[in-house]
Amino acid sequence: GQQVMQIPQYQHVQEGEDFTTYCNSSTTLSNIQWYKQRPGGHPVFLIQLVKSGEVKKQKRLTFQFGEAKKNSSLHITATQTTDVGTYFCAGTREGAQKLVFGQGTRLTINP
Amino acid sequence: GAVVSQHPSRVICKSGTSVKIECRSLDFQATTMFWYRQFPKKSLMLMATSNEGSKATYEQGVEKDKFLINHASLTLSTLTVTSAHPEDSSFYICSAIGPSGQETQYFGPGTRLLVL
Repeated sequence: GQQVMQIPQYQHVQEGEDFTTYCNSSTTLSNIQWYKQRPGGHPVFLIQLVKSGEVKKQKRLTFQFGEAKKNSSLHITATQTTDVGTYFCAGTREGAQKLVFGQGTRLTINP
Repeated sequence: GAVVSQHPSRVICKSGTSVKIECRSLDFQATTMFWYRQFPKKSLMLMATSNEGSKATYEQGVEKDKFLINHASLTLSTLTVTSAHPEDSSFYICSAIGPSGQETQYFGPGTRLLVL
């Protein structure tokens, strides 16, 4: 079945450093979505990427969707303590509604 | 934005009892809702897809008689954990396809179930 792999599993950075998490799917995706889950909270939708090679920015966050629509990345520039949480990618195949989640990358930050 | 609520937020029950969790889309109609389970520090595992007016579609390995899903209206889906056991203790999260229908899922706040 479809698998979505996400690395790294954990990342600890100093405040102000950059952070990147990578997502790879075993199958071509229709779209990929990114979510953030704070400790004790629920996943919150960040963004959806649909087009091959698409790049979207939200302030310090940059999201990319690979040309083959099988991989994606989230990059945070100059992390802040408010960025702490687990970042999940989740993808859907063409014609499907169901999301397959990656394992998540847990980001912790040293202030 | 689209808001999804869940009730209760936390529940503690005795082993052998059944627990019902409600998932509501507050400001939009959701023909499709999803139920996930999340273990501590782990990812979300899809349990089933709930379709309004029809039977839920369960993922492989999820017992449909154990986790009863009812999607009786366009704004409400319920998950009943029947004859709960301690191993059913988990964080259960529902989501609904947003009003734009563009596959974005909006998540409820989750329900923490503890079975003693």
